[in-house]
Amino acid sequence: EIVMTQSPATLSVSPGERATLSCRASQSVSSNLAWYQQKPGQAPRLLIYGASTRATGIPARFSGSGSGTEFTLTISSLQSEDFAVYYCQQYNNWPPSWTFGQGTKVEIK
Amino acid sequence: QVTLRESGPALVKPTQTLTLTCTFSGFSLSTSGMCVSWVRQPPGKALEWLALIDWDDDKYYSTSLKTRLTISKDTSKNQVVLTMTNMDPVDTATYYCARIPDYGGGGYYFDYWGQGTLVTVSS
Repeated sequence: EIVMTQSPATLSVSPGERATLSCRASQSVSSNLAWYQQKPGQAPRLLIYGASTRATGIPARFSGSGSGTEFTLTISSLQSEDFAVYYCQQYNNWPPSWTFGQGTKVEIK
Repeated sequence: QVTLRESGPALVKPTQTLTLTCTFSGFSLSTSGMCVSWVRQPPGKALEWLALIDWDDDKYYSTSLKTRLTISKDTSKNQVVLTMTNMDPVDTATYYCARIPDYGGGGYYFDYWGQGTLVTVSS
């Protein structure tokens, strides 16, 4: 099983500041990586797929980068609605054994 | 407009079988390349992929849970059903169904999710 490790577990950021979240895979997943945002009591929301492609309707302040085993989600200027938990997911395997990271909570500093 | 909605019991007893239904709209599981998956999330914990079924009725399961899971579809009703046998308190979680939009192209991410249904396993 591919293990996805996210860091940090919690990120304290002031509104308007930049946030950088990391996701590391235990083996290469090429660019088969997605990022999701989850707010309390809500389902996850797709932000990024293919490591760097924004999903429909996602603001340009969200960007993804990386390939292989190291990935980054950057939020260029945090808005109040961006405080949430963010998960990465690899989908490189077939047959599927897709796995998620444990999440990074972005909180208000 | 794509929507998905999960339904099922909120409480099950240990050893019982859980049956969850995902009712969706805005797409058809008879369309080539379409796929619906189940994902769960224990309270305060991370997401875990469980199973998928595609338009061709191919089915795949989490390796760790495959002996307990069965997924099926009713295309005429736009529904996908997940059963999980021998429920245990550790299976307490919110269960989501989600669509995979690019199954045929290898894009196995989830673009639309249901709101989730919390299942508690307790005697």
